[in-house]
Amino acid sequence: EAGVAQSPRYKIIEKRQSVAFWCNPISGHATLYWYQQILGQGPKLLIQFQNNGVVDDSQLPKDRFSAERLKGVDSTLKIQPAKLEDSAVYLCASSPLWTLKNPNTGELFFGEGSRLTVL
Amino acid sequence: RKEVEQDPGPFNVPEGATVAFNCTYSNSASQSFFWYRQDCRKEPKLLMSVYSSGNEDGRFTAQLNRASQYISLLIRDSKLSDSATYLCVVNIISSGSARQLTFGSGTQLTVLP
Repeated sequence: EAGVAQSPRYKIIEKRQSVAFWCNPISGHATLYWYQQILGQGPKLLIQFQNNGVVDDSQLPKDRFSAERLKGVDSTLKIQPAKLEDSAVYLCASSPLWTLKNPNTGELFFGEGSRLTVL
Repeated sequence: RKEVEQDPGPFNVPEGATVAFNCTYSNSASQSFFWYRQDCRKEPKLLMSVYSSGNEDGRFTAQLNRASQYISLLIRDSKLSDSATYLCVVNIISSGSARQLTFGSGTQLTVLP
């Protein structure tokens, strides 16, 4: 079974430039997550989609970050304009649909991540 | 106060040693708990879920104390291949009955030959 695909793997930009990351989740996974992981820290949730709707974007810096999930499959995360503190690994993860009535193991399947360096 | 706090580490232990990691969480409404493992420059992967009665998977034992809002992971007979960062993860039900998985900062383990 194919895993979560992300691209690009690495990106170097200067501050104030824009960047976009793409994610293709595991086939059939309804829920998609974008996490930001700064060096030495744990992943921090930026946004969570269920199918093509947003269920949690409370920690997304909406003045510069945006994300969409077209047709409930692929997703794109954009940063515009980038700041130095945005340097991090952006991890996409997916999981089967989770509801209170249908709990699963809690496992998230992560992609390899997109490493962003802002100079 | 952070929602999920872990021992900062790093832990450097010899092969064969037993090592324990601790994690505390602040939201008493947290529903479920997990340990993930993250190898250097790799993505996190689920190690094990943590059940109320405690659970074991080979050399790994997870414990949960809801009253103290405390989770632990014990690794017995450490192997070189156990070297990684261990992330404590807490599941909180957010608005709209969606779940939110919150990660701790991780504890780095190095097993020495």
